[in-house]
Parts: sequence; structure tokens; C-alpha cells
Amino acid sequence: SAVISQKPSRDICQRGTSLTIQCQVDSQVTMMFWYRQQPGQSLTLIATANQGSEATYESGFVIDKFPISRPNLTFSTLTVSNMSPEDSSIYLCSVEGSGLLYNEQFFGPGTRLTVL
Amino acid sequence: RKEVEQDPGPFNVPEGATVAFNCTYSNSASQSFFWYRQDCRKEPKLLMSVYSSGNEDGRFTAQLNRASQYISLLIRDSKLSDSATYLCVVTPSNFGNEKLTFGTGTRLTIIP
Repeated sequence: SAVISQKPSRDICQRGTSLTIQCQVDSQVTMMFWYRQQPGQSLTLIATANQGSEATYESGFVIDKFPISRPNLTFSTLTVSNMSPEDSSIYLCSVEGSGLLYNEQFFGPGTRLTVL
Repeated sequence: RKEVEQDPGPFNVPEGATVAFNCTYSNSASQSFFWYRQDCRKEPKLLMSVYSSGNEDGRFTAQLNRASQYISLLIRDSKLSDSATYLCVVTPSNFGNEKLTFGTGTRLTIIP
């Protein structure tokens, strides 16, 4: 499986500010995804990061709030804009593996965000 | 009804025992199924893919029942290191580029 890193690993931010989270993979991957895991909850897909085109957002998530970049096949960023305490969560990027079942996904270590 | 449902537990099981938990899914068109393991304050890690014929990996056995729309995970001879939250994941397609839907997880604690 690919080695995935995320920066920052954690941050505490003030309401109304924005934070950009980086996801770096050690090999080229076609599919990259961004998830959110709120306290005590399971993972919810925010969007699929598409290389060379706009990200595909899931219902309930919009580009103005969560702009995503995917400049190449090894890197993506997620920005959490105009943050509120409700955005406190763990944000994880994932990549799709190339095993027998193509939608096996492997996750980065996550970014733990606390908004005050 | 939730797309993927799991008993949240916690399951408190003595070391060496066998434990099993199920996960039900609502979309009968679901094609791919996985069990992920998530340790406290860590990212989810793929434990097993679940194949139609069922599959075994060491002490872990996964089964799929399409008629009743559930998958199961059996852990034999449980170890302290098996303590974690186990996430059931389904997706509608085998062809990649499909949304993974996660259950809320079942928390397992192995007691010495």
C-alpha cells in the first residue's frame, strides 16, 4: 500500500479563520479522497479530489467551504474555510489501492482540528 | 434506515475467546465489502476485503450473506492487540471510483 502523510497533524484555530491541510502520497495514484470524522462518529466522505479538474463534492459539502486542490497525482490539499466550532473534527485523506478489489482505500494519519 | 448499521458495542471479551459481530447494509446493489480496524486516535486501516465465498486470514474470518444483506467478522483466539473499533464498509461497485459508506463501528475491548 502507498505511504500517505498529512500536514499538519493537529491544529487549534480561531473561529472565522481558514486552515489548509496537505496530503502527500509516495506514489502516483489516480483517486484521492477527503473524509471527515467528527467526534464519536464514523467517516463521511467530503469530496473526491480529481487531478486536473474540479473536485466532486458529496451532498452537504460545497466548494466555497471546502476548496480542494489536486495539482498532480501525488498531492492534494483541503482547505476548511471560515471555520466554526462545528468544523472541529479529524480530516483524513485516502487513496485508492490497486488490489483485486479496486476500491480498497488506504488512509493518511489524519489532521485533528479544533476550532475555538 | 442507515445505509450501513453496526452494533456500536462495546464488546468486552476475555483474551482467548471468540467474538463475532455483524453489519447490515440497506443497498441490495452493494458489491464490495470491507472490514477496517481503527485504533484510538489513529486512522482506519484495511483489515479484510470480504468476498462472496467468504474468506479467512489467520484468526479472522469474514462472511457475506447477500440474501439477508449482512456481513460478519469472526475473531478467534482473541488477543489484547485486537482491541479496537471495527468499521464495516460497503460500496456499490467492484469497479473502483465509488463512494465508500462506513458504518459507525463496533468497539471491541479484549480483557486480560
